[in-house]
Amino acid sequence: EVQLVESGGGLVKPGGSLRLSCAASGFTFSSYSMNWVRQAPGKGLEWVSSISSSSSYIYYADSVKGRFTISRDNAKNSLYLQMNSLRAEDTAVYYCASREIVGATWEAFDIWGQGTMVTVSS
Amino acid sequence: EIVLTQSPGTLSLSPGERATLSCRASQSVSSSYLAWYQQKPGQAPRLLIYGASSRATGIPDRFSGSGSGTDFTLTISRLEPEDFAVYYCQQYGSPPRDTFGQGTKLEIK
Repeated sequence: EVQLVESGGGLVKPGGSLRLSCAASGFTFSSYSMNWVRQAPGKGLEWVSSISSSSSYIYYADSVKGRFTISRDNAKNSLYLQMNSLRAEDTAVYYCASREIVGATWEAFDIWGQGTMVTVSS
Repeated sequence: EIVLTQSPGTLSLSPGERATLSCRASQSVSSSYLAWYQQKPGQAPRLLIYGASSRATGIPDRFSGSGSGTDFTLTISRLEPEDFAVYYCQQYGSPPRDTFGQGTKLEIK
């Protein structure tokens, strides 16, 4: 079964740090781009970050650039998001999602995890 | 950044009716790199349509997408009870600077 399982969410104080993980199974993880997408409570979806299959290409939304770091370990079929200098507005469910890169195009997100909740509050 | 505006915000229909959801982009979406997702409460989004009109694997043929440039439409030909959910459009491409619409809630009338 194709599956993505996030972990590492929780309650953290403003200015704190958290590291999210996403474990993949059921597909060739090393062949896919991996991504983080978040959703604030009661709000819509926001793309956060993307990493190519070999980690050669990494992109961030302006809202997290300089504070978040995406990485992956293909040997462990795992994706990570290191979140530093957290703010109240980072409170959201964080989803990992996979997508193919066809030619130069980063395609739509075809596999999603169930999400992990991050709450930034004092 | 391409801004996507979805309308209506809420659509109230009955099972068996036809649903038409709109997504308008602030500038042309290159090569129709436009996707639609369905999200039910407490669940992750599910990919329905990519490339503006191609159905994802396992998606029933009552779901169809159309449009190009700045105007896109998701049509559900005959609503089933399980179709009532929130729908998001997304533009993607290269490099990844994905943006999503604010969502349309499809509710039972």
